[in-house]
Amino acid sequence: GAVVSQHPSWVICKSGTSVKIECRSLDFQATTMFWYRQFPKQSLMLMATSNEGSKATYEQGVEKDKFLINHASLTLSTLTVTSAHPEDSSFYICSANPGQPVNEKLFFGSGTQLSVL
Amino acid sequence: QKEVEQDPGPLSVPEGAIVSLNCTYSNSAFQYFMWYRQYSRKGPELLMYTYSSGNKEDGRFTAQVDKSSKYISLFIRDSQPSDSATYLCAMTQETSGSRLTFGEGTQLTVNP
Repeated sequence: GAVVSQHPSWVICKSGTSVKIECRSLDFQATTMFWYRQFPKQSLMLMATSNEGSKATYEQGVEKDKFLINHASLTLSTLTVTSAHPEDSSFYICSANPGQPVNEKLFFGSGTQLSVL
Repeated sequence: QKEVEQDPGPLSVPEGAIVSLNCTYSNSAFQYFMWYRQYSRKGPELLMYTYSSGNKEDGRFTAQVDKSSKYISLFIRDSQPSDSATYLCAMTQETSGSRLTFGEGTQLTVNP
């Protein structure tokens, strides 16, 4: 299957700092990538849809100024958590759609555990 | 009411047992149905993918979709300890873009 690489796997930061998470599609081009957030023992919550060359589409309740998304190329999307606070501590996962022949299959990165002190 | 309902478990079975995992949904427009396996602190891994109603088999895994009942199932035969994980159902109505709606996930433990 298609490979999606996500870095870093773990990050610990102080409150008030910004953290950048990278998501790369390694063997395919992805015009669309998705960012999810997952709290312990809960399902994945879609935060935003990242579109190459255009602005991201955020889900209701997600602060676009806090969670900055950049999809500068067909293989890379980044999520920056700005001025992180302890309540932002969570597991963040990206995913990408390899497109043809089946558009509906999503492949996920390995996730990033963010801990804000 | 959630669009997708899934019993979170936990579900514990002995090695070799047949495992049945299920989801129900309310949106009749859903056309594409998936099962993902997620190990602790890892990204979900696509296990099975089904379009519309019917069955699909892949090794020890069988996925069933009954759109008339808005009910999907995943069966695991000859379960192994390595199958211990959280299983998430997901579905979408879109032909592109893959904006998925996930179930809550069922935590499965297979005991040796």
